[in-house]
Amino acid sequence: DAKTTQPTSMDCAEGRAANLPCNHSTISGNEYVYWYRQIHSQGPQYIIHGLKNNETNEMASLIITEDRKSSTLILPHATLRDTAVYYCIVRVLLRQGAQKLVFGQGTRLTINP
Amino acid sequence: DGGITQSPKYLFRKEGQNVTLSCEQNLNHDAMYWYRQDPGQGLRLIYYSQIVNDFQKGDIAEGYSVSREKKESFPLTVTSAQKNPTAFYLCASGSAVSGIWYFGPGTRLTVL
Repeated sequence: DAKTTQPTSMDCAEGRAANLPCNHSTISGNEYVYWYRQIHSQGPQYIIHGLKNNETNEMASLIITEDRKSSTLILPHATLRDTAVYYCIVRVLLRQGAQKLVFGQGTRLTINP
Repeated sequence: DGGITQSPKYLFRKEGQNVTLSCEQNLNHDAMYWYRQDPGQGLRLIYYSQIVNDFQKGDIAEGYSVSREKKESFPLTVTSAQKNPTAFYLCASGSAVSGIWYFGPGTRLTVL
């Protein structure tokens, strides 16, 4: 399975952009990169996903390098409510068209006032 | 209101007892999944189901069983064979159209 590597923790000031890096050097060509976040004792919340191109939605932007070995999640204007554990995930194809999300350890992002 | 529900939120079990965790979704998704999360760790896949009456073992299936009799429901049974069942259990369903997976709120199981 493709594996992701993220910093254990990061801090960011409220109102600034939070940039969360992720390495996925063993990713295969058809495997997507996903980002989810988890607030303590809740289910993970979807943020964004992509394959090759950069993606943007109302929550964040995803920048994927040309060789696809790393990516960066950008929260453009971080608020205190963005404090959470952020998971960079690879979606792996299984047999008969099934898929699974392979989670790493995640980055604990703390937004400071 | 669409989404995934899990019940109960907290569950306590005595050693040697089987216990069943509920997962229901009204998102009309074919694919459903069970993950386990231990403190400070990421999620690990227990079982998954792509369609009714079919399911497959994930990475840590030993000591668990599932059924998929209805599209909306994917209950997980934690059996007495599971050596370390205390954990946070998360159910998810996936949309083949959007590619987005949705997670339930989780059930925290504690073995006494």
